[in-house]
Amino acid sequence: AQSVAQPEDQVNVAEGNPLTVKCTYSVSGNPYLFWYVQYPNRGLQFLLKYITGDNLVKGSYGFEAEFNKSQTSFHLKKPSALVSDSALYFCAVRDPNTNAGKSTFGDGTTLTVKP
Amino acid sequence: DAGVTQSPTHLIKTRGQQVTLRCSPKSGHDTVSWYQQALGQGPQFIFQYYEEEERQRGNFPDRFSGHQFPNYSSELNVNALLLGDSALYLCASTKAGRGSTDTQYFGPGTRLTVL
Repeated sequence: AQSVAQPEDQVNVAEGNPLTVKCTYSVSGNPYLFWYVQYPNRGLQFLLKYITGDNLVKGSYGFEAEFNKSQTSFHLKKPSALVSDSALYFCAVRDPNTNAGKSTFGDGTTLTVKP
Repeated sequence: DAGVTQSPTHLIKTRGQQVTLRCSPKSGHDTVSWYQQALGQGPQFIFQYYEEEERQRGNFPDRFSGHQFPNYSSELNVNALLLGDSALYLCASTKAGRGSTDTQYFGPGTRLTVL
């Protein structure tokens, strides 16, 4: 069975400061990992994914994430936060031995960036 | 290039009724997955359709059923609605294949309210 934990329900940062949204996972074998963002009353928008290769993955809107196999973590980061980054962020994992599409999501982290 | 579309946007039903939600996948995608997102939670996998057949299923009762059409669009049907079925229902599409690294793209969702 695969699972995802997002240990922080809420993260608050000041605009211009770096941000980190944490994610840890559990899956058999090498995971496929994803970050999505959700704005109010909207669907999920894809930010970035880790499949293989470089542990630092760069994605949309200046976000990046670092895969750490020993710590089973995939934290989302951004060097300088914007007020417009305020949203709900979801980490997801998929076992590559399953068919594409069945992902397990965390419960989300609300990011608030204050001016 | 049209993304994933869903209809209707909002729906209000009463307990015991039946509901049908619709989804059209992103162009070039052949696999459709449905997720239920309750308030304050991450999306929960309901099932996945490929080649007009249910290929994987999450932990949801038989009241939840679906269908995929030859043009890859899909329907989610829920019978005997319960209050607890109130949620945002998300459709996601991707390309098939075990080990596929293709990203899931989500539609805007259908907000179902059961009274």
